[in-house]
Amino acid sequence: GAVVSQHPSRVICKSGTSVKIECRSLDFQATTMFWYRQFPKQSLMLMATSNEGSKATYEQGVEKDKFLINHASLTLSTLTVTSAHPEDSSFYICSASEGSGGKTQYFGPGTRLLVL
Amino acid sequence: DAKTTQPNSMESNEEEPVHLPCNHSTISGTDYIHWYRQLPSQGPEYVIHGLTSNVNNRMASLAIAEDRKSSTLILHRATLRDAAVYYCILRNAGGTSYGKLTFGQGTILTVHP
Repeated sequence: GAVVSQHPSRVICKSGTSVKIECRSLDFQATTMFWYRQFPKQSLMLMATSNEGSKATYEQGVEKDKFLINHASLTLSTLTVTSAHPEDSSFYICSASEGSGGKTQYFGPGTRLLVL
Repeated sequence: DAKTTQPNSMESNEEEPVHLPCNHSTISGTDYIHWYRQLPSQGPEYVIHGLTSNVNNRMASLAIAEDRKSSTLILHRATLRDAAVYYCILRNAGGTSYGKLTFGQGTILTVHP
């Protein structure tokens, strides 16, 4: 199957700093990428949908000014957590799809963020 | 979004078949049935998907009811590496949802040696 990578795999930062997470599709062009967040012992929650070359669509309750998403190319999307606080500590996972609709989504390995 | 219902947990013995059920009574005609699984501290892994007909791949089989209101993921011979949380998700192929996935709680599969 298709491969999606994330970098970094884990990051520890101080409260108030910004953290950027990269999501890359390695062997296919991702028209659409998705960003999820998962807290311990909970399921994945979709944060936003990004399409190459256009603004991301955020889910209800997700602050677009805090979670900046850029999808500048067909193989790269970035999520920047701005002014991170301890409550932002979570497992962030991206997925990528070759297209919309019924196309399969392939997930990255996730990024563990710990904000001190 | 159409919802799915799965048992919270199931157990199996190694090398035995496992049938993981999923109910989706409000499925629409353009909803694909997707299955993913997730191991601890990893991103979900695609398992299989289908629309109306049963599907087979190297990982599993997907049996879809004739009325499409339920489906069953079949692992033919469970191994310890199959222990994971299994998610049954409906993905809409139409509209403006871009095929986003809504994850439920899934089924925790425990495989005993």
